[in-house]
Parts: sequence; C-alpha cells; structure tokens
Amino acid sequence: DVKVTQSSRYLVKRTGEKVFLECVQDMDHENMFWYRQDPGLGLRLIYFSYDVKMKEKGDIPEGYSVSREKKERFSLILESASTNQTSMYLCASSWLGGQGPGEQYFGPGTRLTVT
Amino acid sequence: QQQVKQSPQSLIVQKGGISIINCAYENTAFDYFPWYQQFPGKGPALLIAIRPDVSEKKEGRFTISFNKSAKQFSLHIMDSQPGDSATYFCAASMTGGFKTIFGAGTRLFVKA
Repeated sequence: DVKVTQSSRYLVKRTGEKVFLECVQDMDHENMFWYRQDPGLGLRLIYFSYDVKMKEKGDIPEGYSVSREKKERFSLILESASTNQTSMYLCASSWLGGQGPGEQYFGPGTRLTVT
Repeated sequence: QQQVKQSPQSLIVQKGGISIINCAYENTAFDYFPWYQQFPGKGPALLIAIRPDVSEKKEGRFTISFNKSAKQFSLHIMDSQPGDSATYFCAASMTGGFKTIFGAGTRLFVKA
C-alpha cells in the first residue's frame, strides 16, 4: 500500500517561530509537492521538487522554503511563521514522466495554527 | 490561462440522485484531467481521470464527460450515497509538465 506520511497532524506555533513540516513517501517517486488548502481557494502550490536537491517555486512561495536532501523526504520550512500562514498543509508525490504529475498521492495533511 | 474553474462551490443532493460538478479550462496544452475526492481529515485521493481523446469515461457510479471544443469537463455521480459526501476537486495537467492545476473544490453533501 503506497504511502505519503507527514510528521504532524496538528501543530500550534507562535508568530515568528521557525516551523518545519516533513513529508516522507515510500513509492520512489521523483516529484514531491507542498500545497496549502484554504476554504474556497482549493489547493495552492507552494513549492515542488522533481529530484534530490532540486526545487521550483509554485504559485505562493513567499514566506516558505523547502529542502530535499533525500529522494523520499521533502521538508517545508516557514522561516518566521505569521498568522496568515495558518492553514492545512498537504504534501504529495508523483512519478515524473507521462501522466505522472496528474496522478498525485497525498498525505493526510498538517493543520498548522499560528497564534 | 493556467486556471481551472470549478462549479458549484457546494452541492446538496438527495440519496439516489445524480450529483454533477462542472469544470472549465483555458490552456489547450492540458492533456490529462483527473478528479480527486477528499474526505474530512484526509488528503485528496485520485478518483477517476480522462484524456481528451475520449468524450466519456465511466467507473462504477462515477462518470467523466469531456467536451474538448468547449474546454469543459464534468463529473457525474449516479445514485449518490451519503458515503459520497466529500470535497471533489477537478484538475488538469500536461504531459512533460511538472504541475497539476486544481479547481477550487466542490463540497458535496448527500442527504439520507
């Protein structure tokens, strides 16, 4: 059974803290993605990575950075958390070629609250 | 040009009825159109997908209808059940691309 796991289901942080969200996949996928999900806004892409140490900005990268040191692991970093980063964060992975990017496997999400 | 517009935002259907969710896209380079289903507390999961060389794809009670000339596609859920209550996202991607573009989502509630 394929799996994408995220380090925390719920997280509460204070404004200004550095926050790390971790994602691990066991499918040997090349692509990994970080999204945030907000009501009425759907899934917005923050960053994605198509290979180890490679990263590309998505639609809303401001205030975030990422790290991919190993193929199976993709980390999202909030350098200085702010209240407008309170959201559900979803990690996903997919194959690189063909229809791969359209067939994404998602983790269960991390609900982050910044106070 | 990269947007996928989805409607309605929410939908209430009686048990046994047909649920219909519509999506429209602009970029004709898209060549793969998946639908994702998300239950509360879970991540989205791929439900069904279609390529533009066919006009319809059916899997059980779920059918995608695709209109290439209108650049529209829709999800039909026949004989809707309370267990179908979830948020549904349409999406689009292209071969060789890295990203999938998601619609804003439709919250479906099926009344028993």
